[in-house]
Amino acid sequence: GEDVEQSLFLSVREGDSSVINCTYTDSSSTYLYWYKQEPGAGLQLLTYIFSNMDMKQDQRLTVLLNKKDKHLSLRIADTQTGDSAIYFCAEKRADTGKLIFGQGTTLQVKP
Amino acid sequence: DTGVSQDPRHKITKRGQNVTFRCDPISEHNRLYWYRQTLGQGPEFLTYFQNEAQLEKSRLLSDRFSAERPKGSFSTLEIQRTEQGDSAMYLCASSVGEMNTEAFFGQGTRLTVV
Repeated sequence: GEDVEQSLFLSVREGDSSVINCTYTDSSSTYLYWYKQEPGAGLQLLTYIFSNMDMKQDQRLTVLLNKKDKHLSLRIADTQTGDSAIYFCAEKRADTGKLIFGQGTTLQVKP
Repeated sequence: DTGVSQDPRHKITKRGQNVTFRCDPISEHNRLYWYRQTLGQGPEFLTYFQNEAQLEKSRLLSDRFSAERPKGSFSTLEIQRTEQGDSAMYLCASSVGEMNTEAFFGQGTRLTVV
């Protein structure tokens, strides 16, 4: 099938690390993405990883990719209240370039 | 502003009416995608164009939905005989070719069918 799966909710305290997990389905997907969506707003691309990489770090964000298990994770270091949002992972299909999204993980950051 | 532009941002319509949305992609982008996002869900792919050719349509796109990209630039998405289940955010994205890493999303058109 085309399902990309994510856990629905994560709650952390300000200053802690957050880890959001995702499993995808298509081993031929070329890129995997993390998007952030704040209430009433559009999709903001946070970071992406090419499928032949296993890790990418970008400031407070670390993406880990386990291609064998089709597992993707996003780690946010020193989580801030401004990080509260819904986070979507998405896989990009190699043939059409269309994105298949997960259902989103709501991150709640408590002060 | 050189981003993806969608119009209108919000649309309220009565059940049974027809609505049309417009998307203006980034000017050199040859691929254009439409997605639909309902409350509490991730965006779902509807259809995409490469230049003016519509190359794939999701089974979510019923006969009441039609999309066009007549000159390979802007695109329209029309919904005929709207139903309450059509209420959603309709997102447009554009990208360059196959190797480009990023699809740029517009702000979306929020449709409410009453």
